[in-house]
Amino acid sequence: AQKITQTQPGMFVQEKEAVTLDCTYDTSDPSYGLFWYKQPSSGEMIFLIYQGSYDQQNATEGRYSLNFQKARKSANLVISASQLGDSAMYFCAMRGRETSYDKVIFGPGTSLSVIP
Amino acid sequence: DAGITQSPRYKITETGRQVTLMCHQTWSHSYMFWYRQDLGHGLRLIYYSAAADITDKGEVPDGYVVSRSKTENFPLTLESATRSQTSVYFCASSRSVSSGNTIYFGEGSWLTVV
Repeated sequence: AQKITQTQPGMFVQEKEAVTLDCTYDTSDPSYGLFWYKQPSSGEMIFLIYQGSYDQQNATEGRYSLNFQKARKSANLVISASQLGDSAMYFCAMRGRETSYDKVIFGPGTSLSVIP
Repeated sequence: DAGITQSPRYKITETGRQVTLMCHQTWSHSYMFWYRQDLGHGLRLIYYSAAADITDKGEVPDGYVVSRSKTENFPLTLESATRSQTSVYFCASSRSVSSGNTIYFGEGSWLTVV
């Protein structure tokens, strides 16, 4: 069965420092996608970054990069130069197939707090 | 640019009552999803749909029913609400994988079962 694991319930980082949020996954589907979403205290889900299983290079979007290690089945999110506005819940998600159609599952999330 | 809308946004209901949460998207996305969010569990997939009349169970389907007679609508029904179904419910949609992968979320529906 597909599974997403995020082992860090909470993280703290100093403003302007970089932080890595861990994500490991499990799937038997050779074609899958990995996402990271941010959920601030206001509750909306904000898309950050996407990595396809066949993408050769790690995805980057501004201050966000995804450290994709396929053999280890990990897809860690790296936030460079943390800002106070980065304080939020962060969810790793995976899109893949166990039947004829895609489904998207999420991990339990990591709460990030940025300290001034 | 209406996007994806959920209704009601807030609902209090009694144990045993039937409740339907509505989800409507204006993009003609083929895929739609229902999640519940509870502290410590993240978002758990309840049901998903690949197209009209194609639905499948997710991780926590018990106690829920879905239908998708039209591409743009994906209602979620709690047949007999229980206190354990108190949660925040998110609807989401996306194109097929070959057309793009971003998943778009509604604003959430806060449901309390008393």
